[in-house]
Amino acid sequence: NAGVTQTPKFQVLKTGQSMTLQCAQDMNHNSMYWYRQDPGMGLRLIYYSASEGTTDKGEVPNGYNVSRLNKREFSLRLESAAPSQTSVYFCASSETQGSNSPLHFGNGTRLTVT
Amino acid sequence: QQQVKQSPQSLIVQKGGISIINCAYENTAFDYFPWYQQFPGKGPALLIAIRPDVSEKKEGRFTISFNKSAKQFSLHIMDSQPGDSATYFCAASRETSGSRLTFGEGTQLTVNP
Repeated sequence: NAGVTQTPKFQVLKTGQSMTLQCAQDMNHNSMYWYRQDPGMGLRLIYYSASEGTTDKGEVPNGYNVSRLNKREFSLRLESAAPSQTSVYFCASSETQGSNSPLHFGNGTRLTVT
Repeated sequence: QQQVKQSPQSLIVQKGGISIINCAYENTAFDYFPWYQQFPGKGPALLIAIRPDVSEKKEGRFTISFNKSAKQFSLHIMDSQPGDSATYFCAASRETSGSRLTFGEGTQLTVNP
């Protein structure tokens, strides 16, 4: 009963390096999301995928790209990391796009960009 | 701009006391207001949620109060316990945005034994 699994748990990058954050869910959910959490700013939506084969920008998409690889997996890529991207990244999934479909979050990836 | 504003940023309560966290929103199109609870090192998890057609929803020790005219809603934790120590986020969404939530800034609650 894994739910939403994120890898890696921790990562340190130098400015300009690239990396991909991986996310997989085993709940057969249709929708998946990437949020970033920063102190005093709550969680902000980066990108989301309403269903397999679709992706859309959220509130703070600049500097990121995503891939909905299949129904289970949704990855987030930083092409050229910047210190402003130091954050905790959370992947989430929901059964549907309905407003009362609860989000199920992974345990996060803590990223530091130096 | 923050469409959902949450206060206080941090809160310390004695065991058995009442914890109250407040949120205010700007967008009158919001029609779903959940609260999420987050323990250290974990992702947030849904705690309780309300729609604006009711003014209050209670689940055990947790109650949401909703004031549509004031565009405010709050979380009350009765008989607070040390195990309630966590970060709490209010959030809002509207039908046209589906489950894409707008979160408040978060409140770090500490319940002292």
